[in-house]
Amino acid sequence: NAGVTQTPKFRVLKTGQSMTLLCAQDMNHEYMYWYRQDPGMGLRLIHYSVGEGTTAKGEVPDGYNVSRLKKQNFLLGLESAAPSQTSVYFCASRTQILSNSLHFGNGTRLTVT
Amino acid sequence: DAKTTQPNSMESNEEEPVHLPCNHSTISGTDYIHWYRQLPSQGPEYVIHGLTSNVNNRMASLAIAEDRKSSTLILHRATLRDAAVYYCIPLLNFGNEKLTFGTGTRLTIIP
Repeated sequence: NAGVTQTPKFRVLKTGQSMTLLCAQDMNHEYMYWYRQDPGMGLRLIHYSVGEGTTAKGEVPDGYNVSRLKKQNFLLGLESAAPSQTSVYFCASRTQILSNSLHFGNGTRLTVT
Repeated sequence: DAKTTQPNSMESNEEEPVHLPCNHSTISGTDYIHWYRQLPSQGPEYVIHGLTSNVNNRMASLAIAEDRKSSTLILHRATLRDAAVYYCIPLLNFGNEKLTFGTGTRLTIIP
């Protein structure tokens, strides 16, 4: 039982390049979330999903796209990376049951030059 | 969205108890209160949660006000390893799955 796994752990992109961050969970969780955390700041919600095939916008969705084709995977895409997207990205998942906790991945550190 | 208010920062001496407050006056009767913490350079981790009653686990205690408009996370004997940012988050009922974090409370432990 690996929990929530994020790949890659680190990445450096040039402005304008694209990439996809993968979040995989093996706990059969319905809900999945993508957050970004800038240095010294709190977590900001980018997009989230309440089930396979569904996604919704969070607080800071611009410049990102997401897909949840399979229940266990939640992909975050950057079509044209910008320096402002330099951040640490965290994925999280949870069940529908409110008494169950949120599980986080270890993060992806992305630098856009 | 249910809103929470926490102090930006707190300090405590090592081996003393710490009381971290959170106001969540807009939650409804079936919303749970969860607490998470984020250690330096790590992802957030679960600490404790509750609905109405006070709760204890190996990490901390959670005291929930009778009117549920506030709660307090209690670390009984703070250690240097407890230095982290602590987030109080309401988990809302169905139809409110959007989960946002506030700024949390940065806890500094003084040796």
